[in-house]
Amino acid sequence: EAQVTQNPRYLITVTGKKLTVTCSQNMNHEYMSWYRQDPGLGLRQIYYSMNVEVTDKGDVPEGYKVSRKEKRNFPLILESPSPNQTSLYFCASSFLPLTTDRSSTDTQYFGPGTRLTVL
Amino acid sequence: GESVGLHLPTLSVQEGDNSIINCAYSNSASDYFIWYKQESGKGPQFIIDIRSNMDKRQGQRVTVLLNKTVKHLSLQIAATQPGDSAVYFCAENSGGSNYKLTFGKGTLLTVNP
Repeated sequence: EAQVTQNPRYLITVTGKKLTVTCSQNMNHEYMSWYRQDPGLGLRQIYYSMNVEVTDKGDVPEGYKVSRKEKRNFPLILESPSPNQTSLYFCASSFLPLTTDRSSTDTQYFGPGTRLTVL
Repeated sequence: GESVGLHLPTLSVQEGDNSIINCAYSNSASDYFIWYKQESGKGPQFIIDIRSNMDKRQGQRVTVLLNKTVKHLSLQIAATQPGDSAVYFCAENSGGSNYKLTFGKGTLLTVNP
């Protein structure tokens, strides 16, 4: 089954304790991305990657790191989490680039989400 | 800065009616638009997309309309069903070397039986 998986699904942690949220896709997608979703603000892109070893900042990258050592995995790293990073996080993937004239729809698949609480 | 927004934060319709969800965008360079559906407790699900060289695209029970003149995007859902109840987001991509997607804040669609 084609899917994007995230782990953990729920996490409660304390300020300053480094954490990693994993993301994996089995569709051989080049493009992967992390978003955070907050009430009233919708989905905001944190980081994205167009292929292995190619990453770039989204709209809200401060306080986050990512890596893309393998095509299928795109972990999100919070070196020193703070309470303002309490949020719902989604990983997504698709073939790229999204704006090419591919004949097939470039469906972007989202993971089930990770609910993070930083105390 | 450039942003994607929605005219209506909530929309309530009767089962069987058609629904129209609207979205305004401000970046005239955007050339690719996507509609997503998000059900409670789940990740966003792709519904339909449209490129800027088109003004209409149809899927199964859904139609997306793009009006570049007024920078407006809409999602039409025909014969709305209770299972369509969800939050709907539009997203834009400004193309070129920038592949970032910018999402609107979402519209909550409630379908009354």
